[in-house]
Amino acid sequence: QVQLVQSGAEVKKPGASMKVSCKASGYTFTSYAIHWVRQAPGQRLEWMGWINAGNGNTKYSQKFQGRVTITRDTSASTAYMELSSLRSEDTAMYYCGRGSGDFYYYAMDLWGQGTTVTVSS
Amino acid sequence: EIVLTQSPGTLSLSPGERATLSCRASQSVSSTYFAWYQQKPGQAPRLLIYGASSRATGIPDRFSGSGSGTDFTLTISRLEPEDIAVYYCHQGGTFGQGTKVEIK
Repeated sequence: QVQLVQSGAEVKKPGASMKVSCKASGYTFTSYAIHWVRQAPGQRLEWMGWINAGNGNTKYSQKFQGRVTITRDTSASTAYMELSSLRSEDTAMYYCGRGSGDFYYYAMDLWGQGTTVTVSS
Repeated sequence: EIVLTQSPGTLSLSPGERATLSCRASQSVSSTYFAWYQQKPGQAPRLLIYGASSRATGIPDRFSGSGSGTDFTLTISRLEPEDIAVYYCHQGGTFGQGTKVEIK
C-alpha cells in the first residue's frame, strides 16, 4: 500500500527543538521528493520545505530558513523535519507530502496523516 | 513572492448545484505547477487537480480545473454532500487561504 506514515504527537517547551518523521512505503522512496507543510489551528496550509529523497537536495521556505532542517534516511525510506527554537506560534499540525524530485514546485500527490505539535510552557 | 488569493471565502450551495472556486495569483505563474487540494475536517489534504487541469488518480470527473497566467478556477459540476471541505490552490511554495464549501 502506497502511504506516508508520520510519527506521533509531540508537546514541546518554548526554545526546544522538534523532529518529526515520515516513513514511506509502497513505492521507491528515492524516486520522489518529500515536502513538509504545516497548518496552525484554523489557518491555511503553509509550505516549509522539500527534500529530493534521491540526491538529498533541499529547498526551504525563507520564513523557516535557519530554523528548519529536512533530512532523509534512504535505508529506512524515511524523511525527517527538525524545527528549532520553538515558540508558541509553531503549534500546528505538520504534514509530509510526496512530490516530484525534479523541482519543488510540483504538486503533492500523497500525504501523511499529520503530526500534532504543541508548544507550551 | 507570489501571493494566491482565493474567492469566495465561503460558498453555500445546494446538492446538485455547480460550484465555481477562483484563485488569483499576484503575478503570472506556470500552469504546470498549479494545483488544487481538498481538505475535509480532521483530515490531511488530498490532491484533486495538478497541472491546472489534470485530475489526480481516483478523483471524480465532476471536479475540473481550468485557467492560466494569473486566474485559475476549480469547478464542481454537481455538488455532492461529501464535497463539504476547504479547497486550497497551490503553486510552488505558496497556498491560497482556502475556500470553504458548505451545503445549504
